[in-house]
Amino acid sequence: SQTIHQWPATLVQPVGSPLSLECTVEGTSNPNLYWYRQAAGRGLQLLFYSVGIGQISSEVPQNLSASRPQDRQFILSSKKLLLSDSGFYLCACGTIHHGTEAFFGQGTRLTVV
Amino acid sequence: KQEVTQIPAALSVPEGENLVLNCSFTDSAIYNLQWFRQDPGKGLTSLLLIQSSQREQTSGRLNASLDKSSGRSTLYIAASQPGDSATYLCAVCSGNTGKLIFGQGTTLQVKP
Repeated sequence: SQTIHQWPATLVQPVGSPLSLECTVEGTSNPNLYWYRQAAGRGLQLLFYSVGIGQISSEVPQNLSASRPQDRQFILSSKKLLLSDSGFYLCACGTIHHGTEAFFGQGTRLTVV
Repeated sequence: KQEVTQIPAALSVPEGENLVLNCSFTDSAIYNLQWFRQDPGKGLTSLLLIQSSQREQTSGRLNASLDKSSGRSTLYIAASQPGDSATYLCAVCSGNTGKLIFGQGTTLQVKP
C-alpha cells in the first residue's frame, strides 16, 4: 500500500517569509496527489490537486502555489506567508482510477506569527 | 455543489457501548465514500471505503453502510473502547479526479 511522507511535522514562520512543504509518495506510480488544509474549527478544504508531472489544478484562490516536479513528489509553496495561511496541511494520494482509496500523510502544522 | 454533513458533532459514551455516526451528502452521484479516523494533531487514517455499487463494508468492530439514493452513510462501532476516541471524518468522491469532499467530523470520546 501507499506510504506518504510529509515534512516538516511542525513549522513556525513569520509573516512575509517564504514557505516550502514537501510530500513524497512510496508504493505507487502515477498517483493523483492532493494538498488539503484543515484550519482550526473548520473541515478539510482541498487546495490543489495534480494528475501528473507539471499538472496542477487550484481549487481556491489563495496565497499558495503547488508544483509537481517528479511523479511522486508534490510541493506546496508560498513567496510571502500571511497570518491566514496558518493551519494543518495534509498531502494525500489516490490513483488515476477514482474508485480507489485515498491515503493521507501525517500532516504539517504551520503557524504564521 | 456537493455538501457533506456529519451528525452529531461530538459524542461521549461509556466503554462497551455500540454507537452510530451519521453522514449525509447532497449529491447522490458519487464514486465512493470513505470513513477516516483522525487523532489529535495527526493525519487521517483510512478506516473503510465503500464503492458506489456497494451497500456496506466491515472491518473488525467497524461497519459502514451506504444508501446512495438517500444520500446517507453510517459508521457503526461495536463494543466501543477508550482507544476509539478520535475524530471520525466522512468524505465522498464525486469527481473523476478523486477529489474528496469532507464533512466536519464527529469527535468521539469513549470513557473507561
